[in-house]
Amino acid sequence: QKEVEQDPGPLSVPEGAIVSLNCTYSNSAFQYFMWYRQYSRKGPELLMYTYSSGNKEDGRFTAQVDKSSKYISLFIRDSQPSDSATYLCAMGGATNKLIFGTGTLLAVQP
Amino acid sequence: EAGVAQSPRYKIIEKRQSVAFWCNPISGHATLYWYQQILGQGPKLLIQFQNNGVVDDSQLPKDRFSAERLKGVDSTLKIQPAKLEDSAVYLCASSFLAGGDYNEQFFGPGTRLTVL
Repeated sequence: QKEVEQDPGPLSVPEGAIVSLNCTYSNSAFQYFMWYRQYSRKGPELLMYTYSSGNKEDGRFTAQVDKSSKYISLFIRDSQPSDSATYLCAMGGATNKLIFGTGTLLAVQP
Repeated sequence: EAGVAQSPRYKIIEKRQSVAFWCNPISGHATLYWYQQILGQGPKLLIQFQNNGVVDDSQLPKDRFSAERLKGVDSTLKIQPAKLEDSAVYLCASSFLAGGDYNEQFFGPGTRLTVL
């Protein structure tokens, strides 16, 4: 079993849709949880991170962590064509070592 | 603030040849990471440096991969000899520190390696 599991998609939605991206994990030692966005031929960039269970909102993006179920989600409201990218979940612990999911390729159609 | 710089951006070699990648982290960042990202997968950590010391190289194939970070700034990653399965994007990242609270890792654009 992989430490982090992520549905690879691809996911195609119309502009304005709500997008839900999810990851599950098996390692209870993970302390912080992140979502990275990666555009084609670019490096990943941090979108959101959180330490605790619950929701964290930043503009159109909401990150949700459920430590009891070992499940994290990213919601994108009012999706835009510029949101088209690969979304990577990542998790880490005390050494700052990150374990990434496989990434979900999202396409938002105008 | 200048980002993480990497070169070259693209490299094509034949199997059994050697190749080297270079990374210049963000100024003042003590921790440097090299990741391998195979097509369709997430990045996998190969090696993590804190200043010029190795923190974690547990997933580095040491029979063919080597990395160094002289003077705690720039770093090079070398593959010798390359295999077909080494075809991937090699990402360099840096963070201010590592340990304790999370320190954001900033990624460079990557070097895309194709082994023929």
